[in-house]
Amino acid sequence: NAGVTQTPKFRILKIGQSMTLQCTQDMNHNYMYWYRQDPGMGLKLIYYSVGAGITDKGEVPNGYNVSRSTTEDFPLRLELAAPSQTSVYFCASIRGVYQPQHFGDGTRLSIL
Amino acid sequence: AQSVTQLDSHVSVSEGTPVLLRCNYSSSYSPSLFWYVQHPNKGLQLLLKYTSAATLVKGINGFEAEFKKSETSFHLTKPSAHMSDAAEYFCVVSDPATGNQFYFGTGTSLTVIP
Repeated sequence: NAGVTQTPKFRILKIGQSMTLQCTQDMNHNYMYWYRQDPGMGLKLIYYSVGAGITDKGEVPNGYNVSRSTTEDFPLRLELAAPSQTSVYFCASIRGVYQPQHFGDGTRLSIL
Repeated sequence: AQSVTQLDSHVSVSEGTPVLLRCNYSSSYSPSLFWYVQHPNKGLQLLLKYTSAATLVKGINGFEAEFKKSETSFHLTKPSAHMSDAAEYFCVVSDPATGNQFYFGTGTSLTVIP
């Protein structure tokens, strides 16, 4: 069982470029999440989804977009990358409410 | 509103001595609480969870945590630190209303001195 898989693991972007961070899970979880982790700041929720076709904004959604066309995949799109988006991005999923989250290993993104 | 405060940003212990990582939470209702560990360049791994059953929760790798409602605390302990315990630790509370929103503490970095 692979769990939650994120690609790529590392990426360097130039200011203004766009990219998609991929997240896929093979546990048939309905709920999926995108977080960013900045040093000393814990994790901040960017977007989340409660099922295919349903997404909602979290605490820090500006500059990002998501889609959820299947249960397995929850890609995060960065449009017009800015230095403030340099961070480590984590995808997570849960089996059901009040259940613990399963995390991917993260994508380390630098924007120069 | 829910929130989590991890009282120490850094904790250093000697190998073989006890570990105490402190977490206080704020929640209007009985919360679900979690502790996660993050090793360098890795994702977060669940250590243990409290979901309104026994107040003393045992987790993996010898860690345990006690839910104290009167003190709104959920401190993480381990009797004897091992070098492999050096990592970042996060206390997390779930939104009791929805069960699918989570609030993270800012983390505690644990250093284990040989």
